[in-house]
Amino acid sequence: QVQLQESGPGLVKPSETLSLTCTVSGGSINNYYWSWIRRPAGKGLEWIGRIYTSGYTDYNPSLKSRLSMSVDTSKNQFSLRLASVTAADTAVYYCASSAASYFDSWGQGTLVTVSS
Amino acid sequence: DIQMTQSPSSLSASVGDRVTITCRASQSIGVFLNWYQRKPEKAPKLLISAASTLQGGVPSRFSGSGSGTDFTLTISSLQPEDFATYYCQQGYGIPYTFGQGTKLEIK
Repeated sequence: QVQLQESGPGLVKPSETLSLTCTVSGGSINNYYWSWIRRPAGKGLEWIGRIYTSGYTDYNPSLKSRLSMSVDTSKNQFSLRLASVTAADTAVYYCASSAASYFDSWGQGTLVTVSS
Repeated sequence: DIQMTQSPSSLSASVGDRVTITCRASQSIGVFLNWYQRKPEKAPKLLISAASTLQGGVPSRFSGSGSGTDFTLTISSLQPEDFATYYCQQGYGIPYTFGQGTKLEIK
């Protein structure tokens, strides 16, 4: 199994853009789906969206208008950008891999707080 | 979106107990149901895929069953390392959705 590590700012101001990167190690990023999932405090898990190594994406309709994902196969990384954030976007953000419709490897998660 | 409802939301049990967590989907999802374990400060872990397929390295005391709309995760004899939060997830349709979680605590 690959290892995943999220990185990015832990604090983002309201109305700004949240940007996170996930670095994949211990295997190739190719031929897999790569997802972002978040967990707001006291709530359950929410699937944000996924990107295939070709660049094909599926987004959660609830976030689609603010969401952008990209992949850099040369660096074994993929990224998330969420625009116009509010306090409701405060959460632990996880990156995860999937070959099918389940998530077989996860990062430890990174807390992102939206606050001025 | 397919809604996933887990019960109970929390559960107190003792080492050695048999524990069952249920997950209900708002529509039929076949066997596209997966279970995860989450511990604080650790990466969530896939336990079971396709309703009943135990992942490599997962102890055999974990088992899953069900199809259609109703699913269960059973731990046959709780061990100290099993106290965690468990989530179900449907993989039938996008957006993928999770249950709200079941927090398993030591009695």
